[in-house]
Amino acid sequence: EVQLQQSGPELVKPGASVKISCKASGYSFTGYFMNWVKQSHGKSLEWIGRINPYNGDTFYNQKFKGKATLTVDKSSSTAHMELLSLTSEDSAVYYCGRGARAPGAMDYWGQGTSVTVSS
Amino acid sequence: DIQMTQTTSSLSASLGDRVTISCSASQGISNYLNWYQQKPDGTVKLLIYYTSSLHSGVPSRFSGSGSGTDYSLTISNLEPEDIATYYCQQYSKLPWTFGGGTKLEIK
Repeated sequence: EVQLQQSGPELVKPGASVKISCKASGYSFTGYFMNWVKQSHGKSLEWIGRINPYNGDTFYNQKFKGKATLTVDKSSSTAHMELLSLTSEDSAVYYCGRGARAPGAMDYWGQGTSVTVSS
Repeated sequence: DIQMTQTTSSLSASLGDRVTISCSASQGISNYLNWYQQKPDGTVKLLIYYTSSLHSGVPSRFSGSGSGTDYSLTISNLEPEDIATYYCQQYSKLPWTFGGGTKLEIK
């Protein structure tokens, strides 16, 4: 069974960074892209970018360049997203989503990680 | 970026109803359109990919259609577990973008 287990909620101060994780199980981690999506409170979804776990290649939504950094640890089948220089605008729930074999789709999602930026 | 618009932000229907949720793109997206379901607890699932292909395990009461700039998701015979918010997503051009969502409630 494909599962994406994300790390727990984070409360961070403005200007700080945070790294959230997404541990994959039930499939070959390096065989599928991993995407990240932002959902601000009560709002829609924004695609942040994706990483190829096989070789580490990344593609970012221009809006999130410099804000998000995507990495993977193949040894633990875990994808990470670091968010930099946090402001209140970064308070949101962040999801990881596995890239489907069907191009452009995310076929399995993590449960979401809440990030709250507050002093 | 391609803008995706779901003009109906909330929709109320009765159990057993046939429900259609619409989505339009700011330019033609050549059927590169997916639909997702987000439950009240935040759980997100892929329902439909490439306009009309049903994702594995998704009940057959869900279907998708459309072309050009206009697309729709139809739920036939609405069931209680269908209470959720539905999002369309285009992948014709990067960055991928989502519609604003349509929240489906029981009347």
